[in-house]
Amino acid sequence: QQQVKQSPQSLIVQKGGISIINCAYENTAFDYFPWYQQFPGKGPALLIAIRPDVSEKKEGRFTISFNKSAKQFSLHIMDSQPGDSATYFCAAKNSGGYQKVTFGIGTKLQVIP
Amino acid sequence: DTAVSQTPKYLVTQMGNDKSIKCEQNLGHDTMYWYKQDSKKFLKIMFSYNNKELIINETVPNRFSPKSPDKAHLNLHINSLELGDSAVYFCASSKDYSQPQHFGDGTRLSIL
Repeated sequence: QQQVKQSPQSLIVQKGGISIINCAYENTAFDYFPWYQQFPGKGPALLIAIRPDVSEKKEGRFTISFNKSAKQFSLHIMDSQPGDSATYFCAAKNSGGYQKVTFGIGTKLQVIP
Repeated sequence: DTAVSQTPKYLVTQMGNDKSIKCEQNLGHDTMYWYKQDSKKFLKIMFSYNNKELIINETVPNRFSPKSPDKAHLNLHINSLELGDSAVYFCASSKDYSQPQHFGDGTRLSIL
C-alpha cells in the first residue's frame, strides 16, 4: 500500500524554468513532510520540510506548498538549474513516538541547458 | 568529516553467500536505520534502532540480521544471499525519531 503517492516519476525542465513535483498522502496522522534530494551515487539529503500548521515554506529557490484539506503537498523549484538535476523524494511521518518515514517513489528531475 | 559512513561501497558476491555491511555515524545521534533502495529507486525502511534497541522491524526476511554494538554503529548481516537482494542499502541516523535523518552514501550489493 503506497501511503505517499508522488508524481511525475520523471521530469525534464529547461534551465530557468519552474520544476513542480506533487505528492498526496492518505494517513491523516502524518504531521511532518520532508523532501529529500538524491544525487547519483549519494544518499538522500534533507532539502526542506514542512509541518501542516503552515501552507507554504520557502528556502531560497525551493518552496513547499501544503494543502491539508486535500492531503496534498508539492515542491516548486524556481529558476531551475542543471545542478538541480537529481532524484527528489517526498516523504511523510507521524512525529509522535517511534514512527517511520514513508517515502514517495521519487521523481527524477533533469534540467537541460 | 563523513557524518554517516558505510563500508563497503560496492559488494559483488555469489548467490548463497553470507555478507555484512558496516555503518558508523559520528553525529552523536541516538537513532539509526537501514533502508533498501531497489532498482526503481524506491526507498523502504528495513530496521531502526534507538540507543542500541531494535524499534522498527519491517517485514524483512530473517536472513537479514541487524546488530548495534553501540549507539554509533549499526551493522547489517545477510545470510544466504538471493538474486532479489541486489539493491543499494542505505544507513541513516537521526538525533531521535522526530529529527531529520542523515543518510550515508549507500552500499551497492550485486548478487551474481
